[in-house]
Amino acid sequence: AQSVAQPEDQVNVAEGNPLTVKCTYSVSGNPYLFWYVQYPNRGLQFLLKYITGDNLVKGSYGFEAEFNKSQTSFHLKKPSALVSDSALYFCAVRDGITGFQKLVFGTGTRLLVSP
Amino acid sequence: EPEVTQTPSHQVTQMGQEVILRCVPISNHLYFYWYRQILGQKVEFLVSFYNNEISEKSEIFDDQFSVERPDGSNFTLKIRSTKLEDSAMYFCASSDGVMGQPQHFGDGTRLSIL
Repeated sequence: AQSVAQPEDQVNVAEGNPLTVKCTYSVSGNPYLFWYVQYPNRGLQFLLKYITGDNLVKGSYGFEAEFNKSQTSFHLKKPSALVSDSALYFCAVRDGITGFQKLVFGTGTRLLVSP
Repeated sequence: EPEVTQTPSHQVTQMGQEVILRCVPISNHLYFYWYRQILGQKVEFLVSFYNNEISEKSEIFDDQFSVERPDGSNFTLKIRSTKLEDSAMYFCASSDGVMGQPQHFGDGTRLSIL
């Protein structure tokens, strides 16, 4: 069965500094990996995905993520954090066999960017 | 950009009552999902739905739960006899089913069982 681990409950970073939110995964086949962001009282907003190809994928709001197959990781990064990036971030995995299977989410990491 | 819309945003119900949560998926999407998030916990899959039938369901989705697509636009989740532990945020999502495309989520319905 698929699983996702987000080892940090919270990440604190100063505005302007780079940020990394960690994610590791476990799947039986090829992974389809996603990052979503959740702002207070809102749903999950899609940020970016890894399907195949380049290990560094770029997404919305200046975020990017690096896929590392040997370490089974998909860490979310941003070169320069903004206070408005403060939110809850979820990593998710879907077994790559079909296009409609469920997402399995990690426990989420709260990102707090201080001015 | 098209959105998934959910109503109501907040539902307060007495324990044992039936509740129906409503969703309007993105219009050209074919696959529909319900997830829930108990306060402070992770998002959990409940059920997926395609071609008017359930594709997959989790162990959470017991006989108290049902889903329906009553017309061409709505997708509903019914809980027949609510329990205190059903209190959670319920998210609807939809996708076009193309491999690798993301699921798009609504803003959720907060269900509070008293």
